[in-house]
Amino acid sequence: NAGVTQTPKFRILKIGQSMTLQCTQDMNHNYMYWYRQDPGMGLKLIYYSVGAGITDKGEVPNGYNVSRSTTEDFPLRLELAAPSQTSVYFCASSYSFLELFFGSGTQLSVL
Amino acid sequence: AQTVTQSQPEMSVQEAETVTLSCTYDTSESDYYLFWYKQPPSRQMILVIRQEAYKQQNATENRFSVNFQKAAKSFSLKISDSQLGDAAMYFCAFWGGSQGNLIFGKGTKLSVKP
Repeated sequence: NAGVTQTPKFRILKIGQSMTLQCTQDMNHNYMYWYRQDPGMGLKLIYYSVGAGITDKGEVPNGYNVSRSTTEDFPLRLELAAPSQTSVYFCASSYSFLELFFGSGTQLSVL
Repeated sequence: AQTVTQSQPEMSVQEAETVTLSCTYDTSESDYYLFWYKQPPSRQMILVIRQEAYKQQNATENRFSVNFQKAAKSFSLKISDSQLGDAAMYFCAFWGGSQGNLIFGKGTKLSVKP
């Protein structure tokens, strides 16, 4: 049972480039989330989804887009990378808010 | 708005000793949940323990227990018989009924000395 899988683990982008962070879960969870973690800070919610075809903004959605075409996958798209988007990104899934299951993160640097 | 404050950026404990990590929160909600998540060096966060606000009894999970003081809005984590594998970042988190996501504190880095 793989749980929540994120790819890639590390990435360096140039300013203005685009990329997609991949996230897939094999636990058949309806809820999925994208968080970012900046140094010395807690996690901030970017977007979340309550099921296939349904997404909603979190606390810090600007500069990001998501889609949820299947229960398993919840990719996060950065269209025009900026230095402010340098962070560690975590995908999580859950059956309910009572316990989130996290991936191991993607460390992104925008230079 | 709800806030979660962890006032100890770093803590250290001797192996086999007990350590307490502090967390305070602010909310006007009456129905909410509190959590402690552990983030080891592998970065993958895992749930350590959770507490429902309406339950007066403090939650316990093996060597991990909480001291939930609802009136003081305090939610500390006690780790007994500390082990080297307990070394990690620990995040306190809040979920309230009227908001749809977890609110995380900034974390406490725990070091365990052999």
